[in-house]
Amino acid sequence: GEDVEQSLFLSVREGDSSVINCTYTDSSSTYLYWYKQEPGAGLQLLTYIFSNMDMKQDQRLTVLLNKKDKHLSLRIADTQTGDSAIYFCAETPRGGKLIFGQGTELSVKP
Amino acid sequence: EAGVTQFPSHSVIEKGQTVTLRCDPISGHDNLYWYRRVMGKEIKFLLHFVKESKQDESGMPNNRFLAERTGGTYSTLKVQPAELEDSGVYFCASSSRLAGIYNEQFFGPGTRLTVL
Repeated sequence: GEDVEQSLFLSVREGDSSVINCTYTDSSSTYLYWYKQEPGAGLQLLTYIFSNMDMKQDQRLTVLLNKKDKHLSLRIADTQTGDSAIYFCAETPRGGKLIFGQGTELSVKP
Repeated sequence: EAGVTQFPSHSVIEKGQTVTLRCDPISGHDNLYWYRRVMGKEIKFLLHFVKESKQDESGMPNNRFLAERTGGTYSTLKVQPAELEDSGVYFCASSSRLAGIYNEQFFGPGTRLTVL
């Protein structure tokens, strides 16, 4: 089946690290993505990881991929109030379409 | 360069009426996708155009939904007649066939459809 699962809410304090988790189902996905949606805006590609990688780091963002467990995580270091948004993980098992999770709403408290 | 634009941003209609959503992709992007997010759930794929051809319409919920992309530029998504369960946010995305080896899709801001 095509199911991507995420927890719905995460609340952290400013300056802490945030970890958003995702499980996916299709091991044939070549790329896995993290998208960010700020209030009133469209989805913005935050980062992606190729399926033969275990980790990718990009400034405050770290993506970890465990292919055996089909588990993807996004860590945001030194979380800021501007990071408050909904974060979606997505896979592309077949062709161009993206299969999204439900989104994790990150709330950052000062 | 202009991003993906969608019109209208909000639409409120009554059950049984018709609504047409429009998407203007990034100029030169051959791939155009429609997605929908209902009631805070996952974003679900509806269909994929390559230029003016429907590449994949496996996500279209039923025959009340009609998508077109005449001339391979902008696309419209018509819902006729609208039902209560059609309420949600409709996203459009586009990507270039030459966009490297990963398919980065650029999303519009979405159209929020409310059916009363």
